Amino acid sequence: GAVVSQHPSWVICKSGTSVKIECRSLDFQATTMFWYRQFPKQSLMLMATSNEGSKATYEQGVEKDKFLINHASLTLSTLTVTSAHPEDSSFYICSARLGLAGEKDTQYFGPGTRLTVL
Amino acid sequence: GENVEQHPSTLSVQEGDSAVIKCTYSDSASNYFPWYKQELGKGPQLIIDIRSNVGEKKDQRIAVTLNKTAKHFSLHITETQPEDSAVYFCAAYDSWGKFQFGAGTQVVVTP
Repeated sequence: GAVVSQHPSWVICKSGTSVKIECRSLDFQATTMFWYRQFPKQSLMLMATSNEGSKATYEQGVEKDKFLINHASLTLSTLTVTSAHPEDSSFYICSARLGLAGEKDTQYFGPGTRLTVL
Repeated sequence: GENVEQHPSTLSVQEGDSAVIKCTYSDSASNYFPWYKQELGKGPQLIIDIRSNVGEKKDQRIAVTLNKTAKHFSLHITETQPEDSAVYFCAAYDSWGKFQFGAGTQVVVTP
């Protein structure tokens, strides 16, 4: 149980284009999903917190107009990188929180999406 | 806010030996501490976690200990195997409902 999927697993795009990444909780409903960014050999950096049916909360320094997050259902959140540039190349990982009593803190991570912007 | 420090940054052990990774946190209100294992090119996988009302938790070869007074917690891996080679991250659940991650420990188990 508690499986989170991401699609695509990797994507290469041209500078200036937009890329959408999907995050799904496969066997549970996630009231909250998180989006992280990870550079090589570094830790995970939280970008935003996404609650179903409401606007995402972005961390300081993360441009909300550049990284559009939509959490339309309890099993799906999407991250759209708009007008991507080479500096947006990174490993993007989502996580989902179970939201059950006694386990409301536990986050399960997706496999990540490798974005390369040429 | 919460600040999590993790040591060592790299750890090389012989197969069969034990590995210990230590983390400290700053926010005394933190009450949930998970450990994640991340293999190259993959997402982090939850391997064990502990809550503040427990001092120790064990799952086969993996154990976690928590010292609330000193605000530190540790991951212990016994009888290490080559498949234990990965990056391990500790995290603390802060009062804002978010995880603060440690910098990670690269564990290399040599046969």
